Amino acid sequence: GQQVMQIPQYQHVQEGEDFTTYCNSSTTLSNIQWYKQRPGGHPVFLIQLVKSGEVKKQKRLTFQFGEAKKNSSLHITATQTTDVGTYFCAGDSGANNLFFGTGTRLTVIP
Amino acid sequence: NAGVTQTPKFQVLKTGQSMTLQCAQDMNHEYMSWYRQDPGMGLRLIHYSVGAGITDQGEVPNGYNVSRSTTEDFPLRLLSAAPSQTSVYFCASSVNTETYEQYFGPGTRLTVT
Repeated sequence: GQQVMQIPQYQHVQEGEDFTTYCNSSTTLSNIQWYKQRPGGHPVFLIQLVKSGEVKKQKRLTFQFGEAKKNSSLHITATQTTDVGTYFCAGDSGANNLFFGTGTRLTVIP
Repeated sequence: NAGVTQTPKFQVLKTGQSMTLQCAQDMNHEYMSWYRQDPGMGLRLIHYSVGAGITDQGEVPNGYNVSRSTTEDFPLRLLSAAPSQTSVYFCASSVNTETYEQYFGPGTRLTVT
């Protein structure tokens, strides 16, 4: 079956350092989405990538979709304490069935 | 708009009991789904619906039933609760399966003893 692996599982950074999380799928994806979940909260949609090699930016966040549409990354520049949370990727193979990665829990040390 | 609402927020069940988790959205979204979230496992899709009267199984459907009689409501039924169903359950909706931005409800924390 389809699997979406995400690394690292945990990441601790000093405030101001950069952060990257990686997502890899066992199958080609039609699109990939990224979500953020604050502690005790619910997932909140960040972005969707559809095209091969696509790069999108949201302020300090940069999202990338691989050329083969099997991997993706989220990079945060100069982390802030408001970036704390768990970041999930979610891949869709086109069958209305989203597979979430296991998430990367980001801790930002002030 | 209230967005996606879920009730109850917390529930404790005994093994073998049944119950229904409620989910409603007021955004006229076609697509609705149920996920369970377990530590270290991410979110796993239980069931989904692409419109009223249409439901389908996700990754982990066993032990759960759903129905979609209206666009707004998508209840999840636990037929005979088991300790393995202890989890946090999230309902989500999106405009359709092409516009995949999903709005999640606040979740229901279920414990089965």
